[in-house]
Amino acid sequence: AQTVTQSQPEMSVQEAETVTLSCTYDTSENNYYLFWYKQPPSRQMILVIRQEAYKQQNATENRFSVNFQKAAKSFSLKISDSQLGDTAMYFCAFRRRNAGNMLTFGGGTRLMVKP
Amino acid sequence: EAQVTQNPRYLITVTGKKLTVTCSQNMNHEYMSWYRQDPGLGLRQIYYSMNVEVTDKGDVPEGYKVSRKEKRNFPLILESPSPNQTSLYFCASCSGGGANTGELFFGEGSRLTVL
Repeated sequence: AQTVTQSQPEMSVQEAETVTLSCTYDTSENNYYLFWYKQPPSRQMILVIRQEAYKQQNATENRFSVNFQKAAKSFSLKISDSQLGDTAMYFCAFRRRNAGNMLTFGGGTRLMVKP
Repeated sequence: EAQVTQNPRYLITVTGKKLTVTCSQNMNHEYMSWYRQDPGLGLRQIYYSMNVEVTDKGDVPEGYKVSRKEKRNFPLILESPSPNQTSLYFCASCSGGGANTGELFFGEGSRLTVL
């Protein structure tokens, strides 16, 4: 069974600064996907970024980038130039390659961006 | 507009009173699933379905039932709700087969309180 751990229950950052959210996972699989989802106060779950384990290059989406360390089973999210709208819960998630819609989520990190 | 629709969004009920949370998606997705979100535990999968009439248990299925009689609908049934089922519930869908990128499309969540 897979487990996903987010060791930072809460974090805060000043607007325009950079913040990194941590995520580690445990699996014996070699082919899998990793995700970061954002949940703002509206409760909507929004996909932020996705990484395929067989790709060595770290995924980037505008101000969001990941540091994927496959050997260390680490998948951190870096938010650059933080904006007030980035205030949200962030969930790291894991999915085996052919596991359909079966995602395993971490416990979440609540991020507060301060003006 | 592509969306996953859940109803009700909010519900307060009493122990033992059967209830159903409906979920409908308009994206012709094969895969649908139900998650519950609890503080510190992230999202945990209750049940999932990979196509019509095909359902299976997730990580926390006790006390829940589902059905998939039509591709677009995937209701969650609580036959005899108990207070430990007080939670935030999400329905999610995604494409199957080769179109499956792993991205889940979530409904807006249903906040259930069982007294």
